[in-house]
Amino acid sequence: AQKVTQAQTEISVVEKEDVTLDCVYETRDTTYYLFWYKQPPSGELVFLIRRNSFDEQNEISGRYSWNFQKSTSSFNFTITASQVVDSAVYFCALSEGDSWGKLQFGAGTQVVVTP
Amino acid sequence: GAVVSQHPSWVICKSGTSVKIECRSLDFQATTMFWYRQFPKQSLMLMATSNEGSKATYEQGVEKDKFLINHASLTLSTLTVTSAHPEDSSFYICSAKGRGNTEAFFGQGTRLTVV
Repeated sequence: AQKVTQAQTEISVVEKEDVTLDCVYETRDTTYYLFWYKQPPSGELVFLIRRNSFDEQNEISGRYSWNFQKSTSSFNFTITASQVVDSAVYFCALSEGDSWGKLQFGAGTQVVVTP
Repeated sequence: GAVVSQHPSWVICKSGTSVKIECRSLDFQATTMFWYRQFPKQSLMLMATSNEGSKATYEQGVEKDKFLINHASLTLSTLTVTSAHPEDSSFYICSAKGRGNTEAFFGQGTRLTVV
């Protein structure tokens, strides 16, 4: 069963618009980690954030912000004032306590930012 | 953060030949390494987990005789695609984790094209 669901396949926005990427996860563990990665066309995975299950504080890093809500098992990601360089595939991932470091990825969301 | 180097970045090989991909941890001892595969426009799927000095554990559906994984040292794991065929063309990426750590760090990935 899919443990990480990214329902949005592709989102297209015009530069300077905000874009929110949804991520819903499923786990029975009480201790787990959630991640977001960016994958530009070149292919490498760019680490954006890691959040453990005990830290529900929202986080902001520049134009990026994350909203973690355990009550709805969601870890959503918002890019504010999008730029063309934000065009990429974004993956949400889950790491559970039975195998730290092993990631289960969502299907990914393609973000296309046009000038 | 920890540095993981993967080599080569891309490789083209003829059908029927074997290809070796290296994954090195440059500034830490990687007791566990993970190998993922990503087909075009798809997500990353775990192929296998290798612990230093032990046989790799393969995910369901991954042929262990075709994808040979060696993790003979604490800084190097190799993935050999044996008798490669065009359907093995994919993006292969490794990640490495140190003992007691909860996070693994990714290499740059290898794009394999079998012609």
